[in-house]
Amino acid sequence: DGGITQSPKYLFRKEGQNVTLSCEQNLNHDAMYWYRQDPGQGLRLIYYSQIVNDFQKGDIAEGYSVSREKKESFPLTVTSAQKNPTAFYLCASSIRTGPYEQYFGPGTRLTVT
Amino acid sequence: KQEVTQIPAALSVPEGENLVLNCSFTDSAIYNLQWFRQDPGKGLTSLLLIQSSQREQTSGRLNASLDKSSGRSTLYIAASQPGDSATYLCAVRRGGSEKLVFGKGMKLTVNP
Repeated sequence: DGGITQSPKYLFRKEGQNVTLSCEQNLNHDAMYWYRQDPGQGLRLIYYSQIVNDFQKGDIAEGYSVSREKKESFPLTVTSAQKNPTAFYLCASSIRTGPYEQYFGPGTRLTVT
Repeated sequence: KQEVTQIPAALSVPEGENLVLNCSFTDSAIYNLQWFRQDPGKGLTSLLLIQSSQREQTSGRLNASLDKSSGRSTLYIAASQPGDSATYLCAVRRGGSEKLVFGKGMKLTVNP
């Protein structure tokens, strides 16, 4: 079955530690995205990548980093510089031609204490 | 800057009602609009995507309409069921951009 996987589902870290969230897709999509969701808020774009070895900052990139070494994978690192890292993180992908419909993974809930 | 609003933030209805969920956006220069469903603690499931040139899209009991000039979209759910309980989000995509701008969502509860 084609789809997007995110691991782990739950992640707990101590303040000051970097943590990497995994996102893998087998939909053969070129574009991938990372969003953050906080309670009662809409999704906010962190980073996106339209092609391997290229990515762009979204609206809230500070304290985050990404890489895109393979088409299927787009890992997100939450660094210690991110002031409020506790949130629900969602990965998505789409083709690069219209209508650009985005498909989402199941999410990773990160808790930093 | 595009802003997307969904009002009300929550709605509770008895089973069987026909529902209208609202989505408004400030910039009418959109490429398309996507409606999503999110169950608690889960990812988003795409329900309907409506292009800027279209007036409506239908899938089963769901019908989405788009009025670009007034900056509004509605999601119509016919004969609601308890299984429809979820948060519904709308998102718009600007022409020439692959980025989506999301509303905060509307939490729907359908009571048996």
